[in-house]
Amino acid sequence: AQKITQTQPGMFVQEKEAVTLDCTYDTSDPSYGLFWYKQPSSGEMIFLIYQGSYDQQNATEGRYSLNFQKARKSANLVISASQLGDSAMYFCAMRELAYSGAGSYQLTFGKGTKLSVIP
Amino acid sequence: SQTIHQWPATLVQPVGSPLSLECTVEGTSNPNLYWYRQAAGRGLQLLFYSVGIGQISSEVPQNLSASRPQDRQFILSSKKLLLSDSGFYLCAWRRVGEAFFGQGTRLTVV
Repeated sequence: AQKITQTQPGMFVQEKEAVTLDCTYDTSDPSYGLFWYKQPSSGEMIFLIYQGSYDQQNATEGRYSLNFQKARKSANLVISASQLGDSAMYFCAMRELAYSGAGSYQLTFGKGTKLSVIP
Repeated sequence: SQTIHQWPATLVQPVGSPLSLECTVEGTSNPNLYWYRQAAGRGLQLLFYSVGIGQISSEVPQNLSASRPQDRQFILSSKKLLLSDSGFYLCAWRRVGEAFFGQGTRLTVV
């Protein structure tokens, strides 16, 4: 079973509007972290935002916010006031304990959502 | 500040040739290090991770191997490349709350 599910292969949004990118996850580890990354066409992975499983408040970083609904196991990324430069692939990832290596963690990524911002 | 260097940026190699991709981290000690592969149009697949010198865990059995000869150096290797090894390879290191990636290596096996 997939650990990270991003159900939207592609999304379009009008410039200056807000957009929500979906992410659901599956883990039995009580302690985990959730990340969002942006990957422009250049290929580099740009860290956007992080949410810990015990964090009480939703994470926010500038125009990015993470809508964390623990009971639903969802961690949607909300981008407000979209800009043309936001066009990119967006990956949701989860950090969880890697039982194959004692005390170590691994990051598992979803398949990504391609966001296109329309002028 | 912490930085991560990965090279080369692009590589074209013939089938059957060896491979060595290098990743080094600056500004931190004893980092957890990761190698990921991203095939065209797909998400990231974890290949290897390391929690310390000489400690390598493999997530996916394949034609590749990894080594960590020094605390902040992580190397991805292959003795004989296959066409299916083509892809975008990313090195990363992680600390609590964040994970940082190198610029990536675009490998084309021909």
